[in-house]
Amino acid sequence: QQQVKQSPQSLIVQKGGISIINCAYENTAFDYFPWYQQFPGKGPALLIAIRPDVSEKKEGRFTISFNKSAKQFSLHIMDSQPGDSATYFCAASMGWGKLQFGAGTQVVVTP
Amino acid sequence: NAGVTQTPKFQVLKTGQSMTLQCAQDMNHEYMSWYRQDPGMGLRLIHYSVGAGITDQGEVPNGYNVSRSTTEDFPLRLLSAAPSQTSVYFCASSYSAGGYTSNYGYTFGSGTRLTVV
Repeated sequence: QQQVKQSPQSLIVQKGGISIINCAYENTAFDYFPWYQQFPGKGPALLIAIRPDVSEKKEGRFTISFNKSAKQFSLHIMDSQPGDSATYFCAASMGWGKLQFGAGTQVVVTP
Repeated sequence: NAGVTQTPKFQVLKTGQSMTLQCAQDMNHEYMSWYRQDPGMGLRLIHYSVGAGITDQGEVPNGYNVSRSTTEDFPLRLLSAAPSQTSVYFCASSYSAGGYTSNYGYTFGSGTRLTVV
């Protein structure tokens, strides 16, 4: 049973557009929510992370929005570029516990 | 280059064969883990270790063994390979299981693509 549900499975966006990936969780004890980015043939790498005491975190073109009451968080990629084409994973953990990963979203940015 | 090193990068096994996937890190991370990645299923935790001499099962441990004799190394053993174990395997390490004690989260290796025929 996946503790973090991620959608959509895949999305195609034009260059310059906004990519939005959503994740939902059930365990209210989760207190750390990272996003990982994976390019073909490579391992995932940490992209951006948020804790539940803030509702939004922005790093460059990447923004996490966090809705604690709805138990949802999302990744927005602004001004999407072809180099952003990758698979994105959301994840969650609590305290010193293990990260639970979502199923992943394949993002394709067309020129 | 500091990081997580996995070997081999590719492997083909026959059903019933055994093998060891190697993982080594040089960042003095206490936490190490093995994941398998399958299409549409994301990353599923196989086994993990919170320090030398300490290992525990993840969500899909059947058919795999691990040991952690040193901080640096965390090999994954396939006891008797089955076609269902065809997957891409990733080793990851971190200062802590949740990955949040540093800004770097988990450091993943580049993966081992295993095919069992």
